Amino acid sequence: EAQVTQNPRYLITVTGKKLTVTCSQNMNHEYMSWYRQDPGLGLRQIYYSMNVEVTDKGDVPEGYKVSRKEKRNFPLILESPSPNQTSLYFCASRPDTFMNTEAFFGQGTRLTVV
Amino acid sequence: ILNVEQSPQSLHVQEGDSTNFTCSFPSSNFYALHWYRWETAKSPEALFVMTLNGDEKKKGRISATLNTKEGYSYLYIKGSQPEDSATYLCAFKGTYKYIFGTGTRLKVLA
Repeated sequence: EAQVTQNPRYLITVTGKKLTVTCSQNMNHEYMSWYRQDPGLGLRQIYYSMNVEVTDKGDVPEGYKVSRKEKRNFPLILESPSPNQTSLYFCASRPDTFMNTEAFFGQGTRLTVV
Repeated sequence: ILNVEQSPQSLHVQEGDSTNFTCSFPSSNFYALHWYRWETAKSPEALFVMTLNGDEKKKGRISATLNTKEGYSYLYIKGSQPEDSATYLCAFKGTYKYIFGTGTRLKVLA
């Protein structure tokens, strides 16, 4: 089954404790991205990757890192999480970088930083 | 500042009613407009990808139209059913940006 898998689904952590949210897709998609969803705001892009070893900042990259060592995986790293990073996070992938193809989303990760 | 606005923010309709909502986006540097359906506790699922002015797309009881010159898209649901209850998101792709609206939350009452 074609899917985007995020882990964990839920996470509560403390300020400053490094964490990684994993994202994996099995569709051989080139383009992957991370979004955060906050109340009253649309999905905002954190980082995106157009292919292996190619990553770039989205609209809200501060406090996050990503890597794309393999095509299927695109982990989101919070080196020193802070309470303002409490949010619902989605990973998404699409076949190519042209944006006229649909995106496939993961199930979401609800992160709480206390 | 590029803005994508959706209206209304939320609405309740009775089962069987038809409804529609709007996505407004910048009319310049248009590349594509995407519609997604997002059920609570699930991930957003793509409904339509629209690229041409005048595009009309249909999937079952749901259809969408696109006007790139004036910068809006309408999503229509004919004969709403309780299972249509979800948040409907649109996303605008311009030359450099991919921007989501905040969504229209639809509740269909049985």
